[in-house]
Amino acid sequence: GAVVSQHPSWVICKSGTSVKIECRSLDFQATTMFWYRQFPKQSLMLMATSNEGSKATYEQGVEKDKFLINHASLTLSTLTVTSAHPEDSSFYICSAEGQGNYEQYFGPGTRLTVT
Amino acid sequence: GQNIDQPTEMTATEGAIVQINCTYQTSGFNGLFWYQQHAGEAPTFLSYNVLDGLEEKGRFSSFLSRSKGYSYLLLKELQMKDSASYLCAVRDEWGKFQFGAGTQVVVTP
Repeated sequence: GAVVSQHPSWVICKSGTSVKIECRSLDFQATTMFWYRQFPKQSLMLMATSNEGSKATYEQGVEKDKFLINHASLTLSTLTVTSAHPEDSSFYICSAEGQGNYEQYFGPGTRLTVT
Repeated sequence: GQNIDQPTEMTATEGAIVQINCTYQTSGFNGLFWYQQHAGEAPTFLSYNVLDGLEEKGRFSSFLSRSKGYSYLLLKELQMKDSASYLCAVRDEWGKFQFGAGTQVVVTP
């Protein structure tokens, strides 16, 4: 089956620093990747849609200058949380969509804690 | 606007059947998905409906009525490991997934 990995699985950083999260499709090429954020006991909220070779499309209310997304290849998308603050602490999950496939495959998630 | 509604929590005993309802209003429709999510983990795919009717996969079945904007997930022969959050998600006309808030299913002995 299709496998998506995320790195790191968890990270603790200090307020004001930047954190990069990687999302990789291991055995298929993903033209589209999605980035979600999930706060405790809440559902997944779509942050942005990442398309290989083009700029990401951000959802309303998501600051594109704060959450930098790069989708440089068909197997890798990165999310960089810049100048992180404690309120950015959350569970960040990526998903990847295969070519001609209706399904999205989720990565295992990255738990970010900003102190 | 987008709206996906599902109950917050349901409790059932081991071996029983539970039905989780989901109603939706979205911009266009390109399929309805059900995911299972255990605490602290990413969602895992359970089922997909794009046409009206029932899709059966082992102990799990999912039903869709597009005219009513309604779906349900049926869990049969409940096991303790089925205790989890179940997410209803609709893919809209832009290909984006909109998720419901999730239904926490608690299976008791």
